[in-house]
Amino acid sequence: SQQGEEDPQALSIQEGENATMNCSYKTSINNLQWYRQNSGRGLVHLILIRSNEREKHSGRLRVTLDTSKKSSSLLITASRAADTASYFCATVAISSGSARQLTFGSGTQLTVLP
Amino acid sequence: ETGVTQSPTHLIKTRGQQVTLRCSSQSGHNTVSWYQQALGQGPQFIFQYYREEENGRGNFPPRFSGLQFPNYSSELNVNALELDDSALYLCASSLNRGAITSEQYFGPGTRLTVT
Repeated sequence: SQQGEEDPQALSIQEGENATMNCSYKTSINNLQWYRQNSGRGLVHLILIRSNEREKHSGRLRVTLDTSKKSSSLLITASRAADTASYFCATVAISSGSARQLTFGSGTQLTVLP
Repeated sequence: ETGVTQSPTHLIKTRGQQVTLRCSSQSGHNTVSWYQQALGQGPQFIFQYYREEENGRGNFPPRFSGLQFPNYSSELNVNALELDDSALYLCASSLNRGAITSEQYFGPGTRLTVT
């Protein structure tokens, strides 16, 4: 079963605008990760934020984590047409043991219009 | 490119048949995880292999089984295929060293269609 939900399900913006995607989850986590997927292909790891971190940056990406609300957001600044893809959050639960499997949300489909 | 490869890229099988999907891990990685992604959904964890042994399993029936070989490549086997098994199957490799787990690197996936 999915860990949580992502909001919005789909987002369409103009090139140059910022895109914000939100993720909610249900259990206590070790870390939360964001992935990108182009056209039903493999996932590309974007950024990892640990449960004791509140904010992290990587290039044009900014991720926040609020463990009290069990939520995270991904901000992509100055979007480009090449950012068009599906974006997924994935959590590693504290209870996952040594496997540390990823539990994914349902994803946000981002379309950046040129 | 992540260095993780999967074969085949696509295949079509008939309900009731068996299928084997293959994954070659990134060099140096000792752990492989398999995920099933139905159309329009996020991936769901099937199981993980660490040093040739199953190291965790998601909510999938026993007809989903796997192997990991000494070179850390892996197979996913699905018996008695059902229509709902149609999905993109993703493998991901990582390096587990005790309490430290690296990020997972995903392959391009195998698209399975069951008719």
